[in-house]
Amino acid sequence: QSALTQPPSASGSPGQSVTISCTGTSSDIGRFNYVSWYQQRPGKAPKLLIREVTKRPSGVPDRFSGSKSGNTASLTVSGLQTDDDADYHCSSYAGSGRVVFGGGTKLTVL
Amino acid sequence: QVQLVESGGGLVQPERTLRLSCPASGFTFSVYVMHWVRQSPGKGLEWMAGISSAGTNTFYADSVKGRFTISRDNSKSSLYLQMDSLRPEDTAVYYCARESISGNHGFDVWGQGTKVTVSS
Repeated sequence: QSALTQPPSASGSPGQSVTISCTGTSSDIGRFNYVSWYQQRPGKAPKLLIREVTKRPSGVPDRFSGSKSGNTASLTVSGLQTDDDADYHCSSYAGSGRVVFGGGTKLTVL
Repeated sequence: QVQLVESGGGLVQPERTLRLSCPASGFTFSVYVMHWVRQSPGKGLEWMAGISSAGTNTFYADSVKGRFTISRDNSKSSLYLQMDSLRPEDTAVYYCARESISGNHGFDVWGQGTKVTVSS
């Protein structure tokens, strides 16, 4: 199973919006509505931001939103804050109990 | 307080064995699907293995199938990862993670990670 493809980096200024893409195949993202997004700060464990493409767990600000079109999922962070400076990882269910992650995107808030 | 705490990592020589443990607390461990995920230095996350709530079904990434074994002991609320025939490329921080109760394959609770270094 191949990893999902994410851009290695993204950036934006405070208050702006930024969108991070996550491209898979018809066997994972394109087939299942089980895309998740995680935020990871240096030296820390990942934190679930989005599950099932668009759903936010309780406590996650609505500045974070997810979407999907075909084999590509996207995470949009609106109203960027300096605290959003972190790594972002996508994942998708790939069938037969397997999960596949992307390579991660480092978001820099300028 | 919902918590996962990995242990068992360390420095190990190639081809040797290591067993990771992950005791859980603060939730009913026996009803959740559990997973192991690793992160090599400076790299992204890589899903390793998953196990059903009762432990009857296990799933593995191709990269570790046949070398790693995931297991659980619900009486001890603990998850394990037996790693055999370790390779330098297995060097990573290993996280145990809980899958959301709704079975959506999102991981809503993570441990702090345990570092495994495979080197001679």
